Amino acid sequence: SQELEQSPQSLIVQEGKNLTINCTSSKTLYGLYWYKQKYGEGLIFLMMLQKGGEEKSHEKITAKLDEKKQQSSLHITASQPSHAGIYLCGADDGGSQGNLIFGKGTKLSVKP
Amino acid sequence: NAGVTQTPKFQVLKTGQSMTLQCAQDMNHEYMSWYRQDPGMGLRLIHYSVGAGITDQGEVPNGYNVSRSTTEDFPLRLLSAAPSQTSVYFCASSYGRGGETQYFGPGTRLLVL
Repeated sequence: SQELEQSPQSLIVQEGKNLTINCTSSKTLYGLYWYKQKYGEGLIFLMMLQKGGEEKSHEKITAKLDEKKQQSSLHITASQPSHAGIYLCGADDGGSQGNLIFGKGTKLSVKP
Repeated sequence: NAGVTQTPKFQVLKTGQSMTLQCAQDMNHEYMSWYRQDPGMGLRLIHYSVGAGITDQGEVPNGYNVSRSTTEDFPLRLLSAAPSQTSVYFCASSYGRGGETQYFGPGTRLLVL
């Protein structure tokens, strides 16, 4: 079965610093989703990547899917306290039903 | 649109009690699913539905039942609650399956004593 591994598990950065979160799959990715979760709240959709080499940006967050479609990275530029939370990557499990599997998440803390 | 709504937000049960977690969406989405989130385990799929009248099991279905009588609603039933079912439960929906973004509800925190 497909597994998603996220690194690092947790991250503490100073406000204004850049950071990168990685998501590595054991199999080819056919759809990779990035979500953000604040404590006690639901998941907020950030971006979806489908094509090898694809890159998408929203405000100060950029997500990339590598050419081989087995790894994705999420990069935050000039981090702010509002970026704090848990970032989860999710992927289509490759079945016909469109179910998602998720990584275990990366907890980001931003120190003011 | 309210999006995906879940009730209750928080619930405490005693072992052996039953309850239903409610999930509703107003986006006319065909696909709906239930996940549970546990520390160190990430999100795991419990049950899902690809349309009214159609449900199927996910990764961790034991101890849970679902039904989908309407497009809008997808309740999750715990038949006899166990401490191992203490978790945060999320409902999600999407327009279709495969390549469609899933939208999540705010979650239900369940504590089983």
